[in-house]
This record gives sequence, structure tokens and C-alpha cells, in this order.
Amino acid sequence: DGGITQSPKYLFRKEGQNVTLSCEQNLNHDAMYWYRQDPGQGLRLIYYSQIVNDFQKGDIAEGYSVSREKKESFPLTVTSAQKNPTAFYLCASSHRGFTDTQYFGPGTRLTVL
Amino acid sequence: GEDVEQSLFLSVREGDSSVINCTYTDSSSTYLYWYKQEPGAGLQLLTYIFSNMDMKQDQRLTVLLNKKDKHLSLRIADTQTGDSAIYFCAEIPDSSYKLIFGSGTRLLVRP
Repeated sequence: DGGITQSPKYLFRKEGQNVTLSCEQNLNHDAMYWYRQDPGQGLRLIYYSQIVNDFQKGDIAEGYSVSREKKESFPLTVTSAQKNPTAFYLCASSHRGFTDTQYFGPGTRLTVL
Repeated sequence: GEDVEQSLFLSVREGDSSVINCTYTDSSSTYLYWYKQEPGAGLQLLTYIFSNMDMKQDQRLTVLLNKKDKHLSLRIADTQTGDSAIYFCAEIPDSSYKLIFGSGTRLLVRP
């Protein structure tokens, strides 16, 4: 049963702490993406990776970091430098790149206390 | 520039048709998408249309594309309560090769 999984579904963090959100896909897709969603807004691109060991900043990368050591995994770290981290985070993947259809995971809701 | 606009809210009665509209600014877009998001969930791909098409039909869904006016619409026939969700229009402009999303239209289906 192929798809994209994100964990955990809900995450709470104290101010000043780093936290890592997991994203795994078994679709054999080359490209993976992280988006942030705030209430009443569309999705904004944080980081993307089109191949293992390579990734690029999106539109709102400040305060975030990623790694792509394996094709199926693209974890996102929300650092203490991110000023307003409370949001819904969505991971996506596509076959090769942006011109291919993106499929989304179920999301992780991060709340900073 | 790249911008995708949608109306924020639509309310329809169960059994009626729903029409969700979207306008985009980049006429070079090759692909345009409709995604559905239920509360607390990720985005589900509903359908997409290539820019060289005017219409695409898939069961209860009909997508209309007017390239001249840069207008995209999604029609849902016989709308059901399970269709209540937020619907996002998205484009991939040739100029940026990124997926640009609208802010979403919240569809409420009244019994």
C-alpha cells in the first residue's frame, strides 16, 4: 500500500527547542517537498529535494533545516530560530520534479507552547 | 508575477451543483490542479488539467479552463455532505517550476 506517512500527527514544543518532523514515502519518488500551512492561507514551500543528498530552499526556509540521506525519507527540523513555528506542516513527493504531480502526506500539526 | 486567487467560502444545498472558481496570473502555466483538504488532513489530489485542454470530466467533477481569461473552475455535480472541505487551486508556472497555491475555498454542504 504505497503512500506518504508523516509522524507524529500532533507535536507540542516549548519555545527554544528544536523539533524534527518525519516524512517517509514508499512511492519510489525522486522529489520531496515540505510546505507550511497557516489558517486561511494556501501552502508555502519551505524546502524541496529533487535527488538524494541534494536540497534547495523554498520561499520560507529561514528557521528550518532538512536532510535527504535516503530516497524515501525527508525529515524537517524546526529550529529555535523560527519565529512563529506553530502551523500545520505538509510533506509531499513527486516522481521527478515540480512538473510531476505532487502527492501529499496527512500532515503534522506543530504547536509551540 | 505568480498569484492564484480563490473566493474564501461557498455554501450549497445537498444535491445541488457546486462551482468553485480560481483565477491565476501566469499564462505560461502548463498544469493546473485541484486539491481537496478535509479538516485536519493532508491534501488529496482531485484532478488536474493540461493547459491545452478546455474541459476535463471525471465522474461528478468537471474542470473548465479559460486560458484567455486565466480562469479555472471546478464543478461538483450532486454535491454531498462528504464534499464539505477546503478546495485548493494550484498552478505550475513555467517561469518558476514551483507549485503555487490559492488560499483555498471552504465548501459547506447544507443538508
